[in-house]
Amino acid sequence: EVQLVQSGAEVKKPGESLKISCKASGYSFTSSWIAWVRQMPGKGLEWMGIISPGDSDTRYSPSFEGQVTISVDKSISTAYLHWSSLKASDTAMYYCARRFSGSYSPGDFDNWGQGTLVTVSS
Amino acid sequence: QSALTQPASVSGSPGQSITISCTGTSTDVGRYKLVSWYQQHPGKAPKLMIYEVTKRPSGVSSRFSGSKSGNTASLTVSGLQAEDEADYYCCSYAGSSASVIFGGGTKLTVL
Repeated sequence: EVQLVQSGAEVKKPGESLKISCKASGYSFTSSWIAWVRQMPGKGLEWMGIISPGDSDTRYSPSFEGQVTISVDKSISTAYLHWSSLKASDTAMYYCARRFSGSYSPGDFDNWGQGTLVTVSS
Repeated sequence: QSALTQPASVSGSPGQSITISCTGTSTDVGRYKLVSWYQQHPGKAPKLMIYEVTKRPSGVSSRFSGSKSGNTASLTVSGLQAEDEADYYCCSYAGSSASVIFGGGTKLTVL
């Protein structure tokens, strides 16, 4: 069974750094791209970026380029989303998702993590 | 890079059909046959319901169907059931520089 298990909820202060994780199991980690999707409180979905675990080829949404860093550690089948300096506006639920191999679109995902709630408040 | 436009809400009675529209531009919805639809129940992760405009992933009910005309894509849910009550998001590929964009979401209420 394919599973994406994300790290737990975080409460941080503005200016602090943070890295959240997404551990994959049940399939070959390097065979499928992993994306991160943001959902701000009461709002819609936003595609942040996507990474190929095999070679770390990474694509970012123009809205998130330079704001976050997506990375992977193949040895432990885990993808990461990192902020160097959080802002209050980063408060949101963050989902990781596995790209659906049956589609040509990088926006189609067949498996999702449970979400990580990040709260940034002074 | 603006979000795709969806109605905020739609509603229907059990057994009826509803359609949710998703309007983009000639650089996203209108250019690519790469529109998908997600269903999201409260507190849950989204679920892929339609991909590449009309295709259904394995396990998704045939009551869900998709279409596209010009810059507007549509999701139709037929034979409405109480379990269909959820938020629905469209999603389109927008080219390598603009990547992927979602719609603002539509809340479907089953009366």
